[in-house]
Amino acid sequence: KAGVTQTPRYLIKTRGQQVTLSCSPISGHRSVSWYQQTPGQGLQFLFEYFSETQRNKGNFPGRFSGRQFSNSRSEMNVSTLELGDSALYLCASSSGADARSDTQYFGPGTRLTVL
Amino acid sequence: GQNIDQPTEMTATEGAIVQINCTYQTSGFNGLFWYQQHAGEAPTFLSYNVLDGLEEKGRFSSFLSRSKGYSYLLLKELQMKDSASYLCAVSRYNDMRFGAGTRLTVKP
Repeated sequence: KAGVTQTPRYLIKTRGQQVTLSCSPISGHRSVSWYQQTPGQGLQFLFEYFSETQRNKGNFPGRFSGRQFSNSRSEMNVSTLELGDSALYLCASSSGADARSDTQYFGPGTRLTVL
Repeated sequence: GQNIDQPTEMTATEGAIVQINCTYQTSGFNGLFWYQQHAGEAPTFLSYNVLDGLEEKGRFSSFLSRSKGYSYLLLKELQMKDSASYLCAVSRYNDMRFGAGTRLTVKP
């Protein structure tokens, strides 16, 4: 089975722009979670989706949004980019309905740099 | 508060045993995960504890005490490839919280 894929792998944007990141979960997995990883803050939870519904959201401003499609693929969007948004954005998928008690399989991440 | 604490760095010798501790203070506790992350790579699952006690899986074991808010990951017969960051993650009813990670260096 193919693993979790994320596109693009690297992205450079300037302040004020917006960005959309994409995640394709492992085939058959219906839960998708997004995380932001920075050297200072570590891994921080952004959102969790199951069956096209956002189940939980982390403590991030409204500039961060996401969605999940009927084929379980997910996108996240960050508007009005700030320098502090530079990070590795990781997507993880799990097979069950509850991502918080299932093994999560992480994708390679998208490295976003905001200049 | 909501804290997850683990040592920042540890060093151990090939063939030895190392214990990485994780303490947490959180509400809505569901369970505790350990993930391994090699530099430049995605985290990979190691273990999941829901009940108190020790879970053994090959060279890796994980322990949980819910009443004490404490977990540890035990790595036996250390190999050079075990050099990585080890992330403790608390599963709560509505999110997942990760510790900052412990960077383990295994020396020959």
